Amino acid sequence: GQQVMQIPQYQHVQEGEDFTTYCNSSTTLSNIQWYKQRPGGHPVFLIQLVKSGEVKKQKRLTFQFGEAKKNSSLHITATQTTDVGTYFCAEPTQGGSEKLVFGKGMKLTVNP
Amino acid sequence: GAGVSQTPSNKVTEKGKYVELRCDPISGHTALYWYRQSLGQGPEFLIYFQGTGAADDSGLPNDRFFAVRPEGSVSTLKIQRTERGDSAVYLCASSPGTAYSPLHFGNGTRLTVT
Repeated sequence: GQQVMQIPQYQHVQEGEDFTTYCNSSTTLSNIQWYKQRPGGHPVFLIQLVKSGEVKKQKRLTFQFGEAKKNSSLHITATQTTDVGTYFCAEPTQGGSEKLVFGKGMKLTVNP
Repeated sequence: GAGVSQTPSNKVTEKGKYVELRCDPISGHTALYWYRQSLGQGPEFLIYFQGTGAADDSGLPNDRFFAVRPEGSVSTLKIQRTERGDSAVYLCASSPGTAYSPLHFGNGTRLTVT
């Protein structure tokens, strides 16, 4: 079945450090979405990528869609304690359903 | 309302009991989703409505789970003969229903089966 792999599953960084997390799919995607869930909260939509090689930025967050549309990355520059949370990528299923399949997430903790 | 509303926020029930979880989506959103999230996991798809009909119910784990959306707005997730393994946070999300629409999640209902 369709799988969304996120690596790493856990990331602990010092405040101010940069890091990158990745999302890999077993299929070619029409689009990919990223969500953030703060501790005790619910997932909140961050960004959607549709075009091959697309790069989008939100302040210190840079999202990229792979050229083959099978993977995506999230790069955070100068990590802050407000970045703490779990970041999920989500991809639509094949076959026309609007169902989104979520990865297990990448849990980020930040040492101040 | 401004966002997706879910009630109750917490529900504790005994094994074998029946529970109903309610979701009130963002006004005008035609698509409504139910997900289940266990600790340390991503949201697991259960069912998706487009309007009143279930467009995809492939994620419902078994016939103890059922969901309705009779008027195309509020939805109820119903779980019969609850089991301890059903304990999780049940998340509802809505979207405008157009292709690639992002999901707007509610705060979830934390279900605990004792």
